[in-house]
Amino acid sequence: AQSVTQLDSQVPVFEEAPVELRCNYSSSVSVYLFWYVQYPNQGLQLLLKYLSGSTLVESINGFEAEFNKSQTSFHLRKPSVHISDTAEYFCALTTSGTYKYIFGTGTRLKVLA
Amino acid sequence: NAGVTQTPKFQVLKTGQSMTLQCAQDMNHEYMSWYRQDPGMGLRLIHYSVGAGITDQGEVPNGYNVSRSTTEDFPLRLLSAAPSQTSVYFCASSYTGVEKLFFGSGTQLSVL
Repeated sequence: AQSVTQLDSQVPVFEEAPVELRCNYSSSVSVYLFWYVQYPNQGLQLLLKYLSGSTLVESINGFEAEFNKSQTSFHLRKPSVHISDTAEYFCALTTSGTYKYIFGTGTRLKVLA
Repeated sequence: NAGVTQTPKFQVLKTGQSMTLQCAQDMNHEYMSWYRQDPGMGLRLIHYSVGAGITDQGEVPNGYNVSRSTTEDFPLRLLSAAPSQTSVYFCASSYTGVEKLFFGSGTQLSVL
């Protein structure tokens, strides 16, 4: 069975500081990995995804994540955060043919002025 | 494009009542799914469908029914609501099931 672990439930960080949100997964088969963001009272939106190819993937708003197969991780990073990045971030995985997405428990990023 | 539309946005039920949460998408997606979001537990898959007439159970299917008579619609039915079903419910769709999920804006359900 697959699983996704987000160990940090909350991460406070000052504006313009770097941030890393951690995601580890467990799977015996190849995975597709995703980061979704949820702003207050909204649905989830895709931030970035790893399906295959380059292990470093980037979003349009400055986030990046690196797929590390040996460490079974897919950590999300941003070199300089903004107040507007305050949201909850979910790591998720799926595998080919299962049609089931497994989500982590989420990390609340709070950017402080 | 409307994307994924969920109705209602808010609902309060009494224990034992039944109701249907509506979900519709206009992107011709084959894959549709329902999740519930509870504090500290992330999103958990209730039911999913890979096409009209095909549905399957997710991680937490008990107490919920689904059907998929058309590509566009995927309603979630609560047959006899229980306080444990108090949650925020999200419908999501994608073209293939391994691509990006498009989420609705959610339904906040309280069962008293």
